[in-house]
Amino acid sequence: EAQVTQNPRYLITVTGKKLTVTCSQNMNHEYMSWYRQDPGLGLRQIYYSMNVEVTDKGDVPEGYKVSRKEKRNFPLILESPSPNQTSLYFCASSATGSHNEQFFGPGTRLTVL
Amino acid sequence: AQKVTQAQTEISVVEKEDVTLDCVYETRDTTYYLFWYKQPPSGELVFLIRRNSFDEQNEISGRYSWNFQKSTSSFNFTITASQVVDSAVYFCALSEARGSNFGNEKLTFGTGTRLTIIP
Repeated sequence: EAQVTQNPRYLITVTGKKLTVTCSQNMNHEYMSWYRQDPGLGLRQIYYSMNVEVTDKGDVPEGYKVSRKEKRNFPLILESPSPNQTSLYFCASSATGSHNEQFFGPGTRLTVL
Repeated sequence: AQKVTQAQTEISVVEKEDVTLDCVYETRDTTYYLFWYKQPPSGELVFLIRRNSFDEQNEISGRYSWNFQKSTSSFNFTITASQVVDSAVYFCALSEARGSNFGNEKLTFGTGTRLTIIP
């Protein structure tokens, strides 16, 4: 089954404790991206990756890091989480770019205390 | 910079009524793509439609239809004879990408419209 998976689905952590949210897709997609969804702000793109070792900032990259060492995986790293990073996070992938249909993961709800 | 505006934060209609969700966009490019996604109460994001800037033909898919007007920079979504299952948050999105040769593969979403269909 073609899918995008994210782990964990729910996470409660404390300020400053490094965490990683994993994202994996099995569709051989080149483009992957991360979004955060906040009430009243919709979905905002954090980072995207055009292919292995090619990443670029979205609209809200501050406080986040990403890496793309393999085509299927695109982890989101919060080196020192803060309460303003409490949000619902979505990973997505598409065949060759942002102009294609995005396939979204199920979401990760993160709470930073 | 690219921008998407969904001015309607929340809409409620009675079942079987028609409803239109508005989407207005801003872009510097002549080549761009517009999308609609649905987020039902279960939380997943579901692709509905993609339209490129060179195709202004309106599209109909069952009870759903989309009206793309470049002159007003709008890409509105109409649900005819609404049903309770249509209750969701709907997002409009814009990609200015013209392929990887041009860089800028950002995808910008609007803030969403929460649609509630009252039985």
